[in-house]
Amino acid sequence: GAVVSQHPSRVICKSGTSVKIECRSLDFQATTMFWYRQFPKQSLMLMATSNEGSKATYEQGVEKDKFLINHASLTLSTLTVTSAHPEDSSFYICSARDLKRGPFEQFFGPGTRLTVL
Amino acid sequence: AQSVTQPDIHITVSEGASLELRCNYSYGATPYLFWYVQSPGQGLQLLLKYFSGDTLVQGIKGFEAEFKRSQSSFNLRKPSVHWSDAAEYFCAVVLPEKLTFGTGTRLTIIP
Repeated sequence: GAVVSQHPSRVICKSGTSVKIECRSLDFQATTMFWYRQFPKQSLMLMATSNEGSKATYEQGVEKDKFLINHASLTLSTLTVTSAHPEDSSFYICSARDLKRGPFEQFFGPGTRLTVL
Repeated sequence: AQSVTQPDIHITVSEGASLELRCNYSYGATPYLFWYVQSPGQGLQLLLKYFSGDTLVQGIKGFEAEFKRSQSSFNLRKPSVHWSDAAEYFCAVVLPEKLTFGTGTRLTIIP
C-alpha cells in the first residue's frame, strides 16, 4: 500500500514551452502532497506543499508563477513548469502524505526527469 | 539553525563488510527521523523511521538505525552489505513540520 505514481517519467521540451507533471496517490487519499526538486548529485529541496482544495504554499525562492501547482482531488496533484528554460532541467519528485499512517510520513513517487533544450 | 547533516559524501565498502552511515541533526525537541534510499534515476524508498520508543529501529533490507539523543545522531547500519545496496542514502528529519533532507551519502560496493 501507499503507492505514489508520477507521469511522465521523462520529458524533453523546448525552451519557452510549458510542461505538466502529474502525481497520483494510487491506493490512498492524500490531503497533502509535496513537490521536490533534485539537481544531479544533490539532495531534495522542497519546492511547495499542496493541500487539496487550497492554494499551494511555496518555499522561499520558488517562483509561484513559474511552477504552478494544482491539487484538485485527494489523489492528484499537478506541477506545471511554465515557459521552461534550460535551468529548469532537473529531477522533480512528488510525495504524498496519508494522515491515517501518521502526520509525518511521506510516500514518494518515482520522479520525473525534465530536460529543457 | 535547525538542520540535518550527513558528514560522508561517498563511502566505499567491500561486499560482505559491515556498513555505518552517519546522520546528525540539530533540533531542540525530539525529532522524527527517517532514512531513505534512492537508486539512480529513481524515487525514494523508506528504509526505516524513528518517532519514539525503542531507540534501535529495524528496517527493510536488513538495515537498522540507532537514535542517540546525547549525540544528536541517527546512524544507519547493516552488518553485511550486498552489491544491490549500492545507492544514495538520505537521512531526513521533520523540522518541525517539513521533511528536511541531508545532503546524502553515496554508497559504492566493491567485490
